Amino acid sequence: GQNIDQPTEMTATEGAIVQINCTYQTSGFNGLFWYQQHAGEAPTFLSYNVLDGLEEKGRFSSFLSRSKGYSYLLLKELQMKDSASYLCAVSLNTGGFKTIFGAGTRLFVKA
Amino acid sequence: DTGVSQDPRHKITKRGQNVTFRCDPISEHNRLYWYRQTLGQGPEFLTYFQNEAQLEKSRLLSDRFSAERPKGSFSTLEIQRTEQGDSAMYLCASSRGAGSHTEAFFGQGTRLTVV
Repeated sequence: GQNIDQPTEMTATEGAIVQINCTYQTSGFNGLFWYQQHAGEAPTFLSYNVLDGLEEKGRFSSFLSRSKGYSYLLLKELQMKDSASYLCAVSLNTGGFKTIFGAGTRLFVKA
Repeated sequence: DTGVSQDPRHKITKRGQNVTFRCDPISEHNRLYWYRQTLGQGPEFLTYFQNEAQLEKSRLLSDRFSAERPKGSFSTLEIQRTEQGDSAMYLCASSRGAGSHTEAFFGQGTRLTVV
């Protein structure tokens, strides 16, 4: 079966750095996405990794290790507006490009 | 283009009734996805279209669910004989491209409540 695991909740302080981990076990892999979802809103794209290594985009970075089935999202200089759910998603090689999501990690940023 | 549009935003229906939702993707996007999301969970894959072809449908989906994308543009999702367990947010997303690096753009969703 397909399985994506993330911590349910995390709390961090404004201005700090937080790392959100994601492990996956899937049959077929075409890449890994991170999305941000604020309460009551639609998910929005943050990053994409298909090769091993770190992708940096402003305050957000995402890392992938395909051999370990592991990714993390790193958020630097946390702001209150970063309080949201962070969804790890894997694009599967099923003949198409079906993408499945983890349950998400709710991040609370406190002052 | 204002992004992915879904209609209605909210729907309350009685158990046993049929409901239909519409999704208008971003115009140049050839891929369209339907997901279902309940509180505290990530989006659950329902089905996926490339142009007008429905390429995959979740095995979790019962025969009460059907989706169409007749001209490769907008899509509809119909739920027949609704049950209380169908209450959820139904999200539509679209993307373009021939490869896997095609991030999906989500609509605001249709929140279904079955009473």
